[in-house]
Amino acid sequence: QSVLTQPPSASGTPGQRVTISCSGGSSNIGTNYVYWYQQLPGTAPKLLIYKSNQRPSGVPDRFSGSKSGTSASLAINGLRSEDEAHYYCAAWDDSLSGWVFGGGTKLTVL
Amino acid sequence: EVQLVESGGGLVQPGGSLRLSCAASGLTFSSYAMTWVRQAPGKGLEWVSSISGSGRSIYYADSVKGRFTISRDNSKNTLNLHMNSLRAEDTAAYYCAKGWTVTMEMDVWGKGTTVTVSS
Repeated sequence: QSVLTQPPSASGTPGQRVTISCSGGSSNIGTNYVYWYQQLPGTAPKLLIYKSNQRPSGVPDRFSGSKSGTSASLAINGLRSEDEAHYYCAAWDDSLSGWVFGGGTKLTVL
Repeated sequence: EVQLVESGGGLVQPGGSLRLSCAASGLTFSSYAMTWVRQAPGKGLEWVSSISGSGRSIYYADSVKGRFTISRDNSKNTLNLHMNSLRAEDTAAYYCAKGWTVTMEMDVWGKGTTVTVSS
């Protein structure tokens, strides 16, 4: 059971907007930044969103992050076939003194 | 370009030991925190351990505390993970990742090395 809760799956058709939620608690999301990682099949995770809503250079502006209270979400606009991947949220947990991850959301582009 | 390359994975019997290494290039290694994250086959990401740039601050997941030891050699740009008393549930791909600090984003990841614990 992951400390951060994500839906196991999400789907959409090309061009659609999809959102993935991430729910945590006061010691992680409620206090610290949220990070989002994209993991394409057979590859290492890649940083997608940092500090809850910032995009690293090279990440398309179709991807955006937000945070409110103890929850966060990742939005993908203009869905594309290459977005099909697993997405993980993460945050530092002050109570555990460690990183916590969501269980991951498998995004399918129909 | 920052590159992280893990090595040392392999097949080990339950109760055995293994040392993973992560060679870093393209960065001032001692300026960055380093983290190990693992992923069991078909499962999600699990944080294992983190170490500050100086090596003075170290953190472990409860699942590995007392069995795994993280260390770094800033003169050789190398991160290590000594794993003892290995269990079947330690079977996973192990990734090293760099961060600005222990509590901030892991922004560059290696490709991973696979550890299989089985008799």
